[in-house]
Amino acid sequence: EVQLVESGGGLVQPGGSLRLSCAASGFTFSNHAMSWVRQAPGKGLQWVSTISGGGGGAYYADSVKGRFTISRDSSKNTLYLQMNSLRVEDTAVYYCAKYSGYDFYYMDGWGKGTTVTVSS
Amino acid sequence: DIVMTQSPDSLTVSLGERATINCKSSQNVLYSSSNKNSLAWYQQKPGQPPKLLIYWASTRESGVPDRFSGSGSGTDFTLTISSLQAEDVAVYYCQQYYNVPYTFGQGTKLEIK
Repeated sequence: EVQLVESGGGLVQPGGSLRLSCAASGFTFSNHAMSWVRQAPGKGLQWVSTISGGGGGAYYADSVKGRFTISRDSSKNTLYLQMNSLRVEDTAVYYCAKYSGYDFYYMDGWGKGTTVTVSS
Repeated sequence: DIVMTQSPDSLTVSLGERATINCKSSQNVLYSSSNKNSLAWYQQKPGQPPKLLIYWASTRESGVPDRFSGSGSGTDFTLTISSLQAEDVAVYYCQQYYNVPYTFGQGTKLEIK
């Protein structure tokens, strides 16, 4: 059974940093591209970032480019999101999601999310 | 960026009746080489993460009831629930995976009448 468990969320002041983690199990981690998707309170889904199975390719939404860095450690079956220079508008539930395969197609597995609150 | 626009924003349907949600993309999301539309539908129930329902516009994910179906091509897509059940109350999102950024529609909230 596919399991994705996010951690690392919390309350941080504007300008601060957080690192989110997503522990993956139940599938061959290195064979799947992975993504972070967020959802602000009461709002819809927003794609944040995607990384290839091998980690060599990464893409970002314009709203986080230059501030967030996605990475993965296949030895630990873990996906990361380093978030710097956080803004109030980054407040959201952050979901980790797996793609169906190596390519960036549809996301067929989701974690339960971790909450990030940016506030002074 | 490809803008995904869903209609309606909310929908109230009686149990056993048909529910139809539309999704329009600002650009064509059809891969001409494979003749596949890069369009997925997700269901999000209150307090839960999204769940994949449909991919390639019309392929049902394993385990998804056959009352859910997807159709459309190019820029216009539809999610249909043929006979609404109580457990289908949720927000439904379409998403294109044709181009970065992989944009979602704003969501359609489905309720029971």
